[in-house]
Amino acid sequence: NAGVTQTPKFRVLKTGQSMTLLCAQDMNHEYMYWYRQDPGMGLRLIHYSVGEGTTAKGEVPDGYNVSRLKKQNFLLGLESAAPSQTSVYFCASSLRTEYYTEAFFGQGTRLTVV
Amino acid sequence: GDSVTQMEGPVTLSEEACLTINCTYTATGYPSLFWYVQYPGEGLQLLLKATKADDKGSNKGFEATYRKETTSFHLEKGSVQVSDSAVYFCALSPHGQNFVFGPGTRLSVLP
Repeated sequence: NAGVTQTPKFRVLKTGQSMTLLCAQDMNHEYMYWYRQDPGMGLRLIHYSVGEGTTAKGEVPDGYNVSRLKKQNFLLGLESAAPSQTSVYFCASSLRTEYYTEAFFGQGTRLTVV
Repeated sequence: GDSVTQMEGPVTLSEEACLTINCTYTATGYPSLFWYVQYPGEGLQLLLKATKADDKGSNKGFEATYRKETTSFHLEKGSVQVSDSAVYFCALSPHGQNFVFGPGTRLSVLP
């Protein structure tokens, strides 16, 4: 009954450090997403993937990279963290259908860059 | 591009008061519409959905009707409880390949 699992849940980075956020889903969903949540901004899409081995840029991709080597995992990387990347990051997944689908979310990762 | 506008609040109500959170959208075609709820320290959970014009989504006493003529999907509840305190997000999905969220509305319900 895991759904979407994000690790880590909290992290503090120094400016210039790198890190990778891991998202894993056990629902066999084709689509996966990374969002960031900032006060007053709602959720903004960073990158997304429509299937294993494919990724695409979202609304705010700069400073981030992603990889989807396995269908169940979607990694978000920060190569050189900046204070502007302090945020709460959410991973989500959804099923590929021709009609409608809903997104399932992880618990979030709170990242602070100092 | 596609977008969602919703009242940002915060909204503060007394228990048993009526709730309306307005949501309007801009999209091409016929998107699916959603309301998600986020409780403190948690991820977003689907509250209700509607997939075509005039559909009414409902769950836990909350309702919203897909109004294509006014491009709206307002969230309503007749009697709120303290446990409804959360942030509510209106969202749309153009063709199931992406989701666009509004800024969120923080609701606080006082006993």
